[in-house]
Amino acid sequence: QKEVEQDPGPLSVPEGAIVSLNCTYSNSAFQYFMWYRQYSRKGPELLMYTYSSGNKEDGRFTAQVDKSSKYISLFIRDSQPSDSATYLCAMGVGTQGGSEKLVFGKGTKLTVNP
Amino acid sequence: DTGVSQNPRHKITKRGQNVTFRCDPISEHNRLYWYRQTLGQGPEFLTYFQNEAQLEKSRLLSDRFSAERPKGSFSTLEIQRTEQGDSAMYLCASSLKGQGQNVQFFGPGTRLTVL
Repeated sequence: QKEVEQDPGPLSVPEGAIVSLNCTYSNSAFQYFMWYRQYSRKGPELLMYTYSSGNKEDGRFTAQVDKSSKYISLFIRDSQPSDSATYLCAMGVGTQGGSEKLVFGKGTKLTVNP
Repeated sequence: DTGVSQNPRHKITKRGQNVTFRCDPISEHNRLYWYRQTLGQGPEFLTYFQNEAQLEKSRLLSDRFSAERPKGSFSTLEIQRTEQGDSAMYLCASSLKGQGQNVQFFGPGTRLTVL
């Protein structure tokens, strides 16, 4: 079992739809969680980060972490064609856990159709 | 531009050749990371520096790979005797210790093709 599981999609939605992206993980030592957006042939761009259970909102984006279920989500409201990209979840254990690396999911490819 | 920069952006080489990539982190960041990403996969961690010290290395970093950060600023990643399996996007990221629980900012990547 991989440490981080993410459905690769592809996911296709109409413009204006609410998008839900999810990851599950097996390592209970993960302390902080991030979502990155990656356009084709570009580097990942940080969207959201959090290190506690609950919700965090930033504009049209909401990140949700449920540590008891080892499940994280990213919601995109009023999706736009410019949101079409691959979305990567990433997580880490941090200094207290003995590692600074991020462990990534495979990424979910999203297409928002005008 | 004050983001992470990487050079070259693309590199095509023949099997058996050596290649070197450079990463310039965000100027005040003291931590620098290298990752590798193949098609359809998320980035995989290779190694990490805090200032000039290499503090963590992945099992993926075989003895043909070497990374340096001699003055705690830019870093280089060298691959010796390249193999076709080394073809991938090599990503560099940086972060500032003590800022936001290791939030890592990525560069645009160097795409390596080994023929």
